[in-house]
Amino acid sequence: KQEVTQIPAALSVPEGENLVLNCSFTDSAIYNLQWFRQDPGKGLTSLLLIQSSQREQTSGRLNASLDKSSGRSTLYIAASQPGDSATYLCASQGGSEKLVFGKGTKLTVNP
Amino acid sequence: GAVVSQHPSRVICKSGTSVKIECRSLDFQATTMFWYRQFPKQSLMLMATSNEGSKATYEQGVEKDKFLINHASLTLSTLTVTSAHPEDSSFYICSVAGSPSSYNSPLHFGNGTRLTVT
Repeated sequence: KQEVTQIPAALSVPEGENLVLNCSFTDSAIYNLQWFRQDPGKGLTSLLLIQSSQREQTSGRLNASLDKSSGRSTLYIAASQPGDSATYLCASQGGSEKLVFGKGTKLTVNP
Repeated sequence: GAVVSQHPSRVICKSGTSVKIECRSLDFQATTMFWYRQFPKQSLMLMATSNEGSKATYEQGVEKDKFLINHASLTLSTLTVTSAHPEDSSFYICSVAGSPSSYNSPLHFGNGTRLTVT
């Protein structure tokens, strides 16, 4: 059974700082690894999707990496802004199309 | 614009009553929709996979008679929480695959429904 873990559970940084969020998963037989953003009381916004054959994906100030063999993914946020404050979720997708989510990292970027 | 519309966003009901949550795919036809539940400080957990024109597939531990799913059209799936109890209070959220196969494109999520059972 796939288990997804995110570290840290919460992170507070000053504006402008670069930061890394970590995600690990126990079963490397995945089709993709996805990162989402969740604002309080809201749904999820897809940020990046990394196929199992890929090593990384980039979108603007966001860069996500995937090391399937070690069961790890990282989300790198450059030059953080207060608007980046949210909970960031990673999820692995396996053969049944099901997403298995981590508990998330709550990020606070202080002005 | 929004790809998935979910209603209501919040609902408060009394114990023993039933609540229906709607999930609509706005931009495309969806043969498959997914229903998740999120308890405070917990992961989103898949409850069931809603299949258009056929029975939903429920995850282990989810009572199919309590959480009724209807996917009667390619754009609408409904989740009905029957005989709700306070322990059913949670954040319910639906998602739709962005393409026939969700492996290559991310799922689109509704804004969720906060259910409080008193």
